[in-house]
Amino acid sequence: DSGVTQTPKHLITATGQRVTLRCSPRSGDLSVYWYQQSLDQGLQFLIQYYNGEERAKGNILERFSAQQFPDLHSELNLSSLELGDSALYFCASSLLNSPLHFGNGTRLTVT
Amino acid sequence: GNSVTQMEGPVTLSEEAFLTINCTYTATGYPSLFWYVQYPGEGLQLLLKATKADDKGSNKGFEATYRKETTSFHLEKGSVQVSDSAVYFCALSTESSGANSKLTFGKGITLSVRP
Repeated sequence: DSGVTQTPKHLITATGQRVTLRCSPRSGDLSVYWYQQSLDQGLQFLIQYYNGEERAKGNILERFSAQQFPDLHSELNLSSLELGDSALYFCASSLLNSPLHFGNGTRLTVT
Repeated sequence: GNSVTQMEGPVTLSEEAFLTINCTYTATGYPSLFWYVQYPGEGLQLLLKATKADDKGSNKGFEATYRKETTSFHLEKGSVQVSDSAVYFCALSTESSGANSKLTFGKGITLSVRP
């Protein structure tokens, strides 16, 4: 158990809809990262937050947004969903320069 | 930019066979290198890491040596087990300070070990 909790485990929704994925980092970790894993693109870094502030941005679409709350949990919001957004979305957390610890992911299916 | 290239998969081996999974990288600066493993239905777990040239990371019988001259970090295990069946990802990080540990991953390779 990595200590990183992601909910929900599975999400099925229709094109055009909006969903929110939730992540609780390991106790004490201040950084939260979001990654998208798909068959064709592999693991793509989306965005990082550190102690509530955005720290780095990767290949995140404008339709996607994220935030980290004062209790350090994070949410990834995906809107105007397309079929191609179907993927596994992973959250990871870390403390300063320690290695990342990953949650078990949320599998999003857009129909 | 940074990139990681892994050998094409999948790889299927018999139990007790020798394993090598190739990984090469391109990076600015002096990256730290990692191998992560993903078991079915789970998130990625750190398998081993090396933070400077000639370092050898090792864990659970797996080893990888940071080779700066060949920009490689190949994963090896002398005798694989069925329980090693998983997806293996090579990754790098070039953040040297502060709170940035953003990883760049290779595409991953699926290893299946037959009894």
